[in-house]
Amino acid sequence: LAKTTQPISMDSYEGQEVNITCSHNNIATNDYITWYQQFPSQGPRFIIQGYKTKVTNEVASLFIPADRKSSTLSLPRVSLSDTAVYYCLVGWGSSNTGKLIFGQGTTLQVKP
Amino acid sequence: EPEVTQTPSHQVTQMGQEVILRCVPISNHLYFYWYRQILGQKVEFLVSFYNNEISEKSEIFDDQFSVERPDGSNFTLKIRSTKLEDSAMYFCASSEAGAGGTYNEQFFGPGTRLTVL
Repeated sequence: LAKTTQPISMDSYEGQEVNITCSHNNIATNDYITWYQQFPSQGPRFIIQGYKTKVTNEVASLFIPADRKSSTLSLPRVSLSDTAVYYCLVGWGSSNTGKLIFGQGTTLQVKP
Repeated sequence: EPEVTQTPSHQVTQMGQEVILRCVPISNHLYFYWYRQILGQKVEFLVSFYNNEISEKSEIFDDQFSVERPDGSNFTLKIRSTKLEDSAMYFCASSEAGAGGTYNEQFFGPGTRLTVL
């Protein structure tokens, strides 16, 4: 599974757009890029998944450049409740078990 | 919305005792997982389970650990002889699909906090 690198922490203010970038230089051809969110004392929760270009859902957008060596999770107009750890995960194209390998994630602190 | 449930929410045990953590995955899911998270650390994969057998396990999942799907709804993690370092939050997860390029959203339960004294 491809190694990912993302900032340890980020601060933002309510109402701002937050962009968290993840580097995955050795992503494989069949790998997908997935982001999970984790609140304190809760299990991770799926946010968004993509393979290339742009994916948008009701929660976030995921931007993936043509070379796929990085990706950016965009959270529009964050609120205090978006304070959480955000994980970028890459893999599954060549995995046959579906296990998720979490890094340290990015701790997003949203301030009033 | 269907969800993964776990019981108990908190388990306190003495070192050397056996514990069984229980999970009820989402009913139409076929793939089941256990993860753990030591306080302040990252989420770690323990084991994946499909078609009534382990499909992959990590180096953490040694002989002290076992998993079972005793009936059509429950999925359990047993730790035979707990150690202090087993203290962690244990998360169960399930998914419709496995991997191989398919959509693989895993749904996590709320976790069981295991405290070994």
